[in-house]
Amino acid sequence: GENVEQHPSTLSVQEGDSAVIKCTYSDSASNYFPWYKQELGKRPQLIIDIRSNVGEKKDQRIAVTLNKTAKHFSLHITETQPEDSAVYFCAAGGTASKLTFGTGTRLQVTL
Amino acid sequence: GAGVSQSPRYKVAKRGQDVALRCDPISGHVSLFWYQQALGQGPEFLTYFQNEAQLDKSGLPSDRFFAERPEGSVSTLKIQRTQQEDSAVYLCASTRTGNTGELFFGEGSRLTVL
Repeated sequence: GENVEQHPSTLSVQEGDSAVIKCTYSDSASNYFPWYKQELGKRPQLIIDIRSNVGEKKDQRIAVTLNKTAKHFSLHITETQPEDSAVYFCAAGGTASKLTFGTGTRLQVTL
Repeated sequence: GAGVSQSPRYKVAKRGQDVALRCDPISGHVSLFWYQQALGQGPEFLTYFQNEAQLDKSGLPSDRFFAERPEGSVSTLKIQRTQQEDSAVYLCASTRTGNTGELFFGEGSRLTVL
């Protein structure tokens, strides 16, 4: 089955700096890679996703890159703000199948 | 409904009790997933339904765990003879189609087994 590893487990950045979270996956059949944000005590919510036919996708301050050859993908947040503080999960999955999640990165944006 | 609804939000059970957790997905969503999220961890897959058919139950940790979705809408996750290691948040999620896409999660049911 799929195995997703996520690093770092915690990340502290100053407001305005960039944050990068990296994930690797094991199953070459995976073709869908979403990122979820989970605030304390809340439900996970999708913030951006990428499919294997593209290498990069951007939405305002958030971008995701995918390297299928190396089986890794990354989340980039620029100009971080205090409201970006949360736990971020990467995930990987194939067509019509379950998603396997990483173990999460706790991002703390300090003033 | 407007979103995925789960009940109860909090459940405390004594070891050995049976519990039932309910999920009401977004109306019209074909696929429904159950995930288990231990404290400080990512969601871990339990089982997956497409309409009323349970297509994958490979993540259920033991035969004490059972899920159903008899009419292709509301789903129930039942845990028999609860153990302390069952303590976790149980997340339900639904998607509009049978293909991989955005999971819409509920708020979760936090189970504490004493």
